[in-house]
Amino acid sequence: DSGVTQTPKHLITATGQRVTLRCSPRSGDLSVYWYQQSLDQGLQFLIQYYNGEERAKGNILERFSAQQFPDLHSELNLSSLELGDSALYFCASSVAPENRDTQYFGPGTRLTVL
Amino acid sequence: LAKTTQPISMDSYEGQEVNITCSHNNIATNDYITWYQQFPSQGPRFIIQGYKTKVTNEVASLFIPADRKSSTLSLPRVSLSDTAVYYCLVGSLDSNYQLIWGAGTKLIIKP
Repeated sequence: DSGVTQTPKHLITATGQRVTLRCSPRSGDLSVYWYQQSLDQGLQFLIQYYNGEERAKGNILERFSAQQFPDLHSELNLSSLELGDSALYFCASSVAPENRDTQYFGPGTRLTVL
Repeated sequence: LAKTTQPISMDSYEGQEVNITCSHNNIATNDYITWYQQFPSQGPRFIIQGYKTKVTNEVASLFIPADRKSSTLSLPRVSLSDTAVYYCLVGSLDSNYQLIWGAGTKLIIKP
């Protein structure tokens, strides 16, 4: 158990819909990362927050947005969903935002778009 | 950006030493190299991290040559439970801060 929690574990929805994925970082971690992993693919870095502020942005679509709240939990919002958005979405956290800091990953949310 | 390249897959046998190499020709001065292990449907798990030369912990060793353009993860005496995907991560601290993950190496350990 990494200490990072993600909800829900599974999510099934239809094209065109909007969903919100939630992540709670490990106690004491200030940085949160979001990743997308499609079937049998590698990890695609989406976005990183540090202490409530956006720190880095990767290959995140304009239909996707995220935020980190004052209590440090984070939400990833996916809108106008397409079939290709079906994937595992991982959240990770670290103490600080630098790349030398170990990232602790949550169990993931499996999103299925029908 | 420090793009990384890893072999797509590797096979080995129980009890053998396995070496997985990651190429990162454009690594920046301040970048660290980190390796993660991922089992199916689970989040990646930290294995080891280094900046240069050699780092060893209880599960693996990491070898980084002086030019830092590559790194090699060494797993001693592998077992069936080491079957997983191994990712190399190089952070890029340029003005467009990015986290560049390798595509991952699928390691299959045979009995």
